[in-house]
Amino acid sequence: EVQLMESGGGLVQPGGSLRLSCAASGFTFSQNWMNWVRQAPGMGLEWVANINPDGSAEFYADSVKGRFTISRDNAKNSLSLQMSSLRDEDTAVYYCARGVAYSLDYWGQGILVIVSS
Amino acid sequence: DVVMTQSPLPLPVTLGQPASFSCRSSRNLAHSDGNTYLSWFQQGPGQSPRRLIYQVSNRDSGVPDRFSGSGSGTEFTLKISRVEAEDVGVYHCMQSSHWPPTFGQGTKLEIK
Repeated sequence: EVQLMESGGGLVQPGGSLRLSCAASGFTFSQNWMNWVRQAPGMGLEWVANINPDGSAEFYADSVKGRFTISRDNAKNSLSLQMSSLRDEDTAVYYCARGVAYSLDYWGQGILVIVSS
Repeated sequence: DVVMTQSPLPLPVTLGQPASFSCRSSRNLAHSDGNTYLSWFQQGPGQSPRRLIYQVSNRDSGVPDRFSGSGSGTEFTLKISRVEAEDVGVYHCMQSSHWPPTFGQGTKLEIK
């Protein structure tokens, strides 16, 4: 069974940093693109970033480019999102999601990030 | 970016009756490889999204056959043939034919 479990969320002040992690199990992690998607309170879904299977290519939404860094450790079946220069508008539930054939087939339960002073 | 517009907002339905969700894109979603990458997700209250449909009309494993997807180009539809109580939640469409992937704002299914 595919499982994705996010961790590392919490309350952070504007301008601060936070690192999210996603532990993957139940599939061969090193064979899939992995994504981060977020959902601000009461809002729709927004794709944030993704990374290719071997970690050699990363892509970002314009809203986070230069502030967020996605990475992965295939030996540990782990995906990360390093977030810096956080803004109020980054407040959201962050989901990691497995990519397959240009879609997102499995999602984690999500982790809440609140940016507030 | 491709803008995805969903309607109606929200969608009140009587149990046992059909429901239809519309999703329109600002650009033709036909990919250069011949496929159309339009997915539908269901998000129950307090839950994470669950994919129902991929590539317009392919149902995911375990998804009841009362769910069906159709469409092409810029117009897409998700239909539930007979709504059940467990179907309440928000339904999102997503395009991934063009970078970056983008979502509609979601349509909330409510029971009358």
